[in-house]
Amino acid sequence: AQKITQTQPGMFVQEKEAVTLDCTYDTSDPSYGLFWYKQPSSGEMIFLIYQGSYDQQNATEGRYSLNFQKARKSANLVISASQLGDSAMYFCAMRERTGGGADGLTFGKGTHLIIQP
Amino acid sequence: KAGVTQTPRYLIKTRGQQVTLSCSPISGHRSVSWYQQTPGQGLQFLFEYFSETQRNKGNFPGRFSGRQFSNSRSEMNVSTLELGDSALYLCASSLAGGATNEKLFFGSGTQLSVL
Repeated sequence: AQKITQTQPGMFVQEKEAVTLDCTYDTSDPSYGLFWYKQPSSGEMIFLIYQGSYDQQNATEGRYSLNFQKARKSANLVISASQLGDSAMYFCAMRERTGGGADGLTFGKGTHLIIQP
Repeated sequence: KAGVTQTPRYLIKTRGQQVTLSCSPISGHRSVSWYQQTPGQGLQFLFEYFSETQRNKGNFPGRFSGRQFSNSRSEMNVSTLELGDSALYLCASSLAGGATNEKLFFGSGTQLSVL
């Protein structure tokens, strides 16, 4: 079973609209971290936002917010007032705990977001 | 502060050859991890190094290996290249790497093409 599921392979959004990118995850570990990364065509993965499994509040970073619904195992990324520069691949990722510390990031397949003028 | 630097940016090799990729982490970061990105398999974790020791390993064959030097710089080696090894190889660094909340900072990657 996939640990991270992103159900939207691609999305077209009008500039200045808000956009929600979906992410569901699967883990039996009570301690984990959820991340969103942006990958423009240059290839570099850019960190956007982090949510810890024990965090009570939804994370926010500027125009980015994370809609964390723990019981549903959902961690959707919300981008407010989208801009042309937001066009990129977006990846949801999870980090679980191992005996030695923390495991590597497990990524979803990504969502290709295109912002239209 | 300089970001994560990966060299070279592009590589073309033929089947059977071996290749070494290099990664310089952000200054002060002691953990370096490597990821492979392909259109078919997506992003997959290869391994993580901390204080010159491999701390975690993903599900890849022994042809994939790495090491970390005392200055935290890391190299990744792939021996006996196969066509399926063609991918973008991304390096990420973090302060210590041992916590689930630690942010990873990625480089721009090395695009490897195996002919």
